[in-house]
Amino acid sequence: KAGVTQTPRYLIKTRGQQVTLSCSPISGHRSVSWYQQTPGQGLQFLFEYFSETQRNKGNFPGRFSGRQFSNSRSEMNVSTLELGDSALYLCASSPGGGFPGEQYFGPGTRLTVT
Amino acid sequence: AQSVTQPDIHITVSEGASLELRCNYSYGATPYLFWYVQSPGQGLQLLLKYFSGDTLVQGIKGFEAEFKRSQSSFNLRKPSVHWSDAAEYFCVCYNQGGKLIFGQGTELSVKP
Repeated sequence: KAGVTQTPRYLIKTRGQQVTLSCSPISGHRSVSWYQQTPGQGLQFLFEYFSETQRNKGNFPGRFSGRQFSNSRSEMNVSTLELGDSALYLCASSPGGGFPGEQYFGPGTRLTVT
Repeated sequence: AQSVTQPDIHITVSEGASLELRCNYSYGATPYLFWYVQSPGQGLQLLLKYFSGDTLVQGIKGFEAEFKRSQSSFNLRKPSVHWSDAAEYFCVCYNQGGKLIFGQGTELSVKP
């Protein structure tokens, strides 16, 4: 089975712009979660989608949003980018259901905001 | 609030030596615990998991971890470290709000 894929792998944006990141889960997985990883804050949970619905949400401002499509692919959008949004954004998928269980991570998208 | 603490930010061990990475969790009920490894520029790979049952769990790459409820710990061990084990290791707790709570990570360096 192919693993979790994320596109693009690297991205450079300017403050104030918006960005969309994409994640394709493992085939058959219905849950997709997003995480932000920075040297200062470590790994932080952004949100989780299951069957096209946001099931859980972390403590991030409304500039961070996401969605999931019927094929379970997910996108994450960040509007009005700030310098502090520079991070590695990781997507993870799991089969879903009542308990996420172990999650399978993609390689991440490295976002740099200048 | 739930939390996961990895007391050691950075550890250096010699190749062939044994390894123990510490993890303490704060959670009221029986936790679901994981150890993940992240190599430079890579995503995270699951090493092992604990849901219930035997307190000593075996994982991939020769790693094991022991759940100790009395100490709120879930330490990761390996009897003989290889140079390829150099990476960052994360102890993770799943909370019943549906989120993974990550420790700050322990960076492992391996000396030849």
